[in-house]
Amino acid sequence: QVTLKESGPVLVKPTETLTLTCTVSGFSLSNGRMGVSWIRQPPGKALEWLAHSFSNDEKSYSTSLKRRLTISKDTSKSQVVLSMTNMDPVDTATYYCARIRDYYDSSSYSTLFDYWGQGTLVTVSS
Amino acid sequence: SSELTQDPAVSVALGQTVRITCQGDSLRSYYASWYQQKPGQAPVLVIYSKNNRPSGIPDRFSGSSSGNTASLTITGAQAEDEADYYCTSRDSSGNHVVFGGGTKLTVL
Repeated sequence: QVTLKESGPVLVKPTETLTLTCTVSGFSLSNGRMGVSWIRQPPGKALEWLAHSFSNDEKSYSTSLKRRLTISKDTSKSQVVLSMTNMDPVDTATYYCARIRDYYDSSSYSTLFDYWGQGTLVTVSS
Repeated sequence: SSELTQDPAVSVALGQTVRITCQGDSLRSYYASWYQQKPGQAPVLVIYSKNNRPSGIPDRFSGSSSGNTASLTITGAQAEDEADYYCTSRDSSGNHVVFGGGTKLTVL
């Protein structure tokens, strides 16, 4: 059974660094063409992809947030960590981690998020 | 382009068929995946690649793609299908992932 669970602070102050941890079970962070992605959703707004880390150590970041984000993984602990610097009230959102997978068949290529954590609401306020 | 465009809101009568669309240049190269999100819940994958449904997703959900447009079709919409729906794919560079702005589906 695949599960993901986010953990981290519920409240951070402006200018602080947010560190979130995604602990996974039911799959390995070192095998297969899969990995973990971080996605956020401000209250009442759309989903926004932030970053991902694949099993082959491929990492990618949102172009608009790249300077503020760092993603890392600890395979032995089955954890993927996201750090976001210089937090601002506009960063208030529910932060989700999800398993990301590339799917190929004979003529198509799709990237999908097949399992999601429950999400954690992070509020940025002084 | 790194954008996927969705209609903000769509409605459908109970039992009828509705199509939710997603447009973007990257869809000429990559298939979309689709997610259903109900209030207070995490998104759930409903369609990926050409027209693949994860286990447990009803077969009234189907997907298609043509040119720069991906579509999610619900044939015989049920009350429990009322939710927000998001499309996503790689961007045109293939290095990033993008989400559409979401479509709020109302079942009348």
